[in-house]
Amino acid sequence: KNQVEQSPQSLIILEGKNCTLQCNYTVSPFSNLRWYKQDTGRGPVSLTIMTFSENTKSNGRYTATLDADTKQSSLHITASQLSDSASYICVVIADTNAGKSTFGDGTTLTVKP
Amino acid sequence: NAGVTQTPKFQVLKTGQSMTLQCAQDMNHEYMSWYRQDPGMGLRLIHYSVGAGITDQGEVPNGYNVSRSTTEDFPLRLLSAAPSQTSVYFCASSSYRVGTGELFFGEGSRLTVL
Repeated sequence: KNQVEQSPQSLIILEGKNCTLQCNYTVSPFSNLRWYKQDTGRGPVSLTIMTFSENTKSNGRYTATLDADTKQSSLHITASQLSDSASYICVVIADTNAGKSTFGDGTTLTVKP
Repeated sequence: NAGVTQTPKFQVLKTGQSMTLQCAQDMNHEYMSWYRQDPGMGLRLIHYSVGAGITDQGEVPNGYNVSRSTTEDFPLRLLSAAPSQTSVYFCASSSYRVGTGELFFGEGSRLTVL
């Protein structure tokens, strides 16, 4: 069964600090992996996409990594801001068809001043 | 560019009542889907559609109906609401032509069943 596991479930950090969120998956075949950010009371929005051949990709203060051999991805947030407080959802797609998406349960990040 | 629009944003129902959650997208996406999100849990797929006239069940379809008469609209119907259907519902769409599988979500509809 395709599964996506995220850790930690929740995380509290101080503003300005860095943090790393983890995503392990057993989805096969693998097409790509996305990290979504979901602000409280809003719908998820894609932050970054990782394909099989990509190891690292940055989007501002967000850096995603992918190790296709160990089936692990991480999302690193640098110099956190209060606006980074959100839920971060890892989604792995078995095909380019969005209907083949497997969702993680998300990591809830709280950034405190 | 509106993207994916969901209505209503909030709704309170009594047990046994029926209602329809509306979803519309203006991006000409083939794929549309409905998810529910419960506290502490991830998004769970209810129903999805790969084009007008084509729908299929997801992970948690019981108690919900859908139809897709046009590319733009994908309403979700609750036939006889139950307290277990209290949740936040998200509609999403995606393009097969672009081929990356990115899902574009609406802002959600928060449903409470008393």
